Amino acid sequence: NAGVTQTPKFQVLKTGQSMTLQCAQDMNHNSMYWYRQDPGMGLRLIYYSASEGTTDKGEVPNGYNVSRLNKREFSLRLESAAPSQTSVYFCASRTGGLGNTEAFFGQGTRLTVV
Amino acid sequence: AQRVTQPEKLLSVFKGAPVELKCNYSYSGSPELFWYVQYSRQRLQLLLRHISRESIKGFTADLNKGETSFHLKKPFAQEEDSAMYYCALGSYNQGGKLIFGQGTELSVKP
Repeated sequence: NAGVTQTPKFQVLKTGQSMTLQCAQDMNHNSMYWYRQDPGMGLRLIYYSASEGTTDKGEVPNGYNVSRLNKREFSLRLESAAPSQTSVYFCASRTGGLGNTEAFFGQGTRLTVV
Repeated sequence: AQRVTQPEKLLSVFKGAPVELKCNYSYSGSPELFWYVQYSRQRLQLLLRHISRESIKGFTADLNKGETSFHLKKPFAQEEDSAMYYCALGSYNQGGKLIFGQGTELSVKP
């Protein structure tokens, strides 16, 4: 039972470099999410996708772009990484349209920007 | 605006003591409310959702719409309860938008 899978698990970038974080789920969920987790700040929503083909900004979208490639995959791109983007990134998914459904999380990607 | 506030960053109690983790929310519609837990080096997992009105691992949470609160309670804390706890607010009307509070680290001492 794979659930939500994120790649890579760890990454070190230099300031200005770009990269894409990948997320895939095998639960046929409609909604997918990207969060960043920082000490004292909790989880902050970067972008979310209510269904295939739609994306919406969350609380902290600046500096990021997303693509909902298909129902399974939701990627997060950093075009020009900055030290402020050093964080742990989590992808999540849940069934949409029903309300009060459980979100399932990936194991996280620890990103360091130097 | 949709907002979740957890006022305590750290809560430290002794084993067997009661625990209450506070959560207040701001939302104009009918909220979806959840508690998630993250044990050390593990991914977040659902603990409770308000609509279920269930007790998981001895924890309960009651939605108080008048006070816009969804506090998490347990009468007798155990050492294995030590973890990070997050309150979450979902928005069915906004395509399932789901936001989290700042988190409360619970430390249960022997």
